Amino acid sequence: AQSVTQLDSQVPVFEEAPVELRCNYSSSVSVYLFWYVQYPNQGLQLLLKYLSGSTLVKGINGFEAEFNKSQTSFHLRKPSVHISDTAEYFCAVGNQGAQKLVFGQGTRLTINP
Amino acid sequence: GAGVSQTPSNKVTEKGKYVELRCDPISGHTALYWYRQSLGQGPEFLIYFQGTGAADDSGLPNDRFFAVRPEGSVSTLKIQRTERGDSAVYLCASSTGTSAEQYFGPGTRLTVT
Repeated sequence: AQSVTQLDSQVPVFEEAPVELRCNYSSSVSVYLFWYVQYPNQGLQLLLKYLSGSTLVKGINGFEAEFNKSQTSFHLRKPSVHISDTAEYFCAVGNQGAQKLVFGQGTRLTINP
Repeated sequence: GAGVSQTPSNKVTEKGKYVELRCDPISGHTALYWYRQSLGQGPEFLIYFQGTGAADDSGLPNDRFFAVRPEGSVSTLKIQRTERGDSAVYLCASSTGTSAEQYFGPGTRLTVT
């Protein structure tokens, strides 16, 4: 069975500071990895995905993530955050075959001016 | 083009009543997924359709929950004898069936009083 652990339930940072949201997964098979963002009262929006190839993945809104197979991690980073990045961020794991996603508990990113 | 749509956006019902939640996927997407998101949690998988058939219903919590997709497009999630613990946001997603990327709708917020 697959599982996802998001190590921080809340991350407060100051505007223009860098941020890292941590995600670890467990799986016995090759995985696909995703980060989704959920703005207040909105649905889930895909930020970025790792399917294969380069382990450094760039997404929308200046976010990037690095797949580390040996550490089974897929941490999300942004060098300089903005107030508009305030949202809930979810890490998810899937596998080949376009089947279900398993989500982490989410990390609430709060940006302080 | 149009994204995934879900109706109603909000549903309040009394304990013991029957409810139906509708999902209209992106046109041409053969795969459709239902997830449930409880307050403060990540989405949890319920059921996955490939075409008209349920390819994986392992996430349905009990036999009060049932979903159909009779023509391979619109899907309805049906909940019988609702309980207060069923209160959550029910999310629908669709994909091409060969792509791992899932596109989410805005969700239906179900409140059982």
